[in-house]
Amino acid sequence: QKEVEQDPGPLSVPEGAIVSLNCTYSNSAFQYFMWYRQYSRKGPELLMYTYSSGNKEDGRFTAQVDKSSKYISLFIRDSQPSDSATYLCAASGGYQKVTFGIGTKLQVIP
Amino acid sequence: DSGVTQTPKHLITATGQRVTLRCSPRSGDLSVYWYQQSLDQGLQFLIQYYNGEERAKGNILERFSAQQFPDLHSELNLSSLELGDSALYFCASSPLRDRKETQYFGPGTRLLVL
Repeated sequence: QKEVEQDPGPLSVPEGAIVSLNCTYSNSAFQYFMWYRQYSRKGPELLMYTYSSGNKEDGRFTAQVDKSSKYISLFIRDSQPSDSATYLCAASGGYQKVTFGIGTKLQVIP
Repeated sequence: DSGVTQTPKHLITATGQRVTLRCSPRSGDLSVYWYQQSLDQGLQFLIQYYNGEERAKGNILERFSAQQFPDLHSELNLSSLELGDSALYFCASSPLRDRKETQYFGPGTRLLVL
């Protein structure tokens, strides 16, 4: 079992939809949770990171962590075609290596 | 643009050969990380250097080695290449030594072993 599990998709949504991307993790030592966006043939770009449980909002993006259920979510409001990319969740114990999910490929259709 | 640069962008080579991938971190970042990304395995951590010294090791094969130079650029050496080494190799940098939650990735080197 991988420490961070993520459905690879693909996920197709119409423009303007609310997108929900999710991951689960198994390592209780994880305290930092990250979301990266990766466009085709580019490097991952850090979108957001959160510490412990709770929500963090940045523009159209909201990251949510529920440590009790070991569940990580990213919500994208008013999705745009430019949001089409692969979204990688990641987790770390801070002082440990970052463990990435395999990534969910998202396509936002105009 | 993350500020991390990697060369070359593409590399095509044959089995058994050796290649060197180069990374320049963001200005001021002392930590450099190397990752391998393949379709079936996702992004796998290989190794971290901090200010010239090896800091952490992940799933790095013995055929692979890395180093970080005094000017903080880093090189990843891959030898006795096999078909299965074909992948995207990313370098990331961070200002932190131990806390790893903020890493900035370069554009990657696409390696194809024929």
